[in-house]
Amino acid sequence: GIQVEQSPPDLILQEGANSTLRCNFSDSVNNLQWFHQNPWGQLINLFYIPSGTKQNGRLSATTVATERYSLLYISSSQTTDSGVYFCAPSSVGETSGSRLTFGEGTQLTVNP
Amino acid sequence: DTAVSQTPKYLVTQMGNDKSIKCEQNLGHDTMYWYKQDSKKFLKIMFSYNNKELIINETVPNRFSPKSPDKAHLNLHINSLELGDSAVYFCASSQDLGQRYYGYTFGSGTRLTVV
Repeated sequence: GIQVEQSPPDLILQEGANSTLRCNFSDSVNNLQWFHQNPWGQLINLFYIPSGTKQNGRLSATTVATERYSLLYISSSQTTDSGVYFCAPSSVGETSGSRLTFGEGTQLTVNP
Repeated sequence: DTAVSQTPKYLVTQMGNDKSIKCEQNLGHDTMYWYKQDSKKFLKIMFSYNNKELIINETVPNRFSPKSPDKAHLNLHINSLELGDSAVYFCASSQDLGQRYYGYTFGSGTRLTVV
């Protein structure tokens, strides 16, 4: 199956700083999702981004499918951004595009 | 509220017991899932149902049996619970468009502790 590698595994920021999270994947994908798991354990859908660039407020994401990576940008970070960020692609070989394979996540801590 | 809701939120039980976790979605999605998150926060798909039909069945012990009475409900029954079953179990739903999907939404999770 598809291999997913996220970096860095841990990231500590001061409030107001910017950051970039990276997701490398081993196969061609037709789906890719970024999720945020907050400190209370809730998984929040951030972006559906199999290719291209999207922005939502202080967050944006870019997927370069031909080079098999995706980036999540967080600008002007806030303490509420803390949590684990997961990248979850689905490869073109999957019969169901909704079978997501999760990376191990990036644990982000934003300090006040 | 539109959502994926699962119950119970916490479940503490003894080894060898049988337990069930219930999940309901009112988003009108046709596909539902069970994921398991271990103590290292690694998330892995267990099962997926599309319109009550099982379409994904990962390498999961057959002590785990999903049941989908209709496309809005997907329950997970676990027999003969073992210590290693302790984890957080997430239900999710989406609209499966074959090679793509829409609106992947997770429930709030059930923390299962086997003692």
